[in-house]
Amino acid sequence: KQEVTQIPAALSVPEGENLVLNCSFTDSAIYNLQWFRQDPGKGLTSLLLIQSSQREQTSGRLNASLDKSSGRSTLYIAASQPGDSATYLCAVPFLTDSWGKLQFGAGTQVVVTP
Amino acid sequence: KAGVTQTPRYLIKTRGQQVTLSCSPISGHRSVSWYQQTPGQGLQFLFEYFSETQRNKGNFPGRFSGRQFSNSRSEMNVSTLELGDSALYLCASSIGERARTQGYTFGSGTRLTVV
Repeated sequence: KQEVTQIPAALSVPEGENLVLNCSFTDSAIYNLQWFRQDPGKGLTSLLLIQSSQREQTSGRLNASLDKSSGRSTLYIAASQPGDSATYLCAVPFLTDSWGKLQFGAGTQVVVTP
Repeated sequence: KAGVTQTPRYLIKTRGQQVTLSCSPISGHRSVSWYQQTPGQGLQFLFEYFSETQRNKGNFPGRFSGRQFSNSRSEMNVSTLELGDSALYLCASSIGERARTQGYTFGSGTRLTVV
């Protein structure tokens, strides 16, 4: 059974620092891994989708890496801003199941202080 | 293009009542999945529909049901509401067959409060 873990559970940094968020998964046979952002009481916003064949994916200040062999993905956010304060979740599709089922980590709650 | 639309945004219901939530996926997307999010359990998969057929179901009691219409819009229904059903219900849409390579888009959710 695929298990997804995110460490740390919470993170507080001053504005301008780089953020490093970790996601680990137990079954390395994944199709892809998706990073989401969630603001309090809101839905999920997709940030990056990394295919299993890719090592990293970039969008603006965001960069996500994927190491399937070690079961890890890392989301880097450069030069953090107060607007980056949110909960960040990673998710992988169940491999042996239909494509509609994602396994989520518990998330990392980020606070960026001005 | 329009995103995933969930209605209503907020609902307050009494124990024992039933509720219906709606989700309109992105145009062209044929797969709709539903998730329940609570502070204690995180995000839990409810079910997934593709071309009007339920393809997968999570570990929820039979009080939770859903359906998908020919235009891909989906509804989920919860009968005999319990206090523990209070949660944010999220809908995700994907293109379907290629979801594994194209990912999922989520709606803003419906916040259900059972009193």
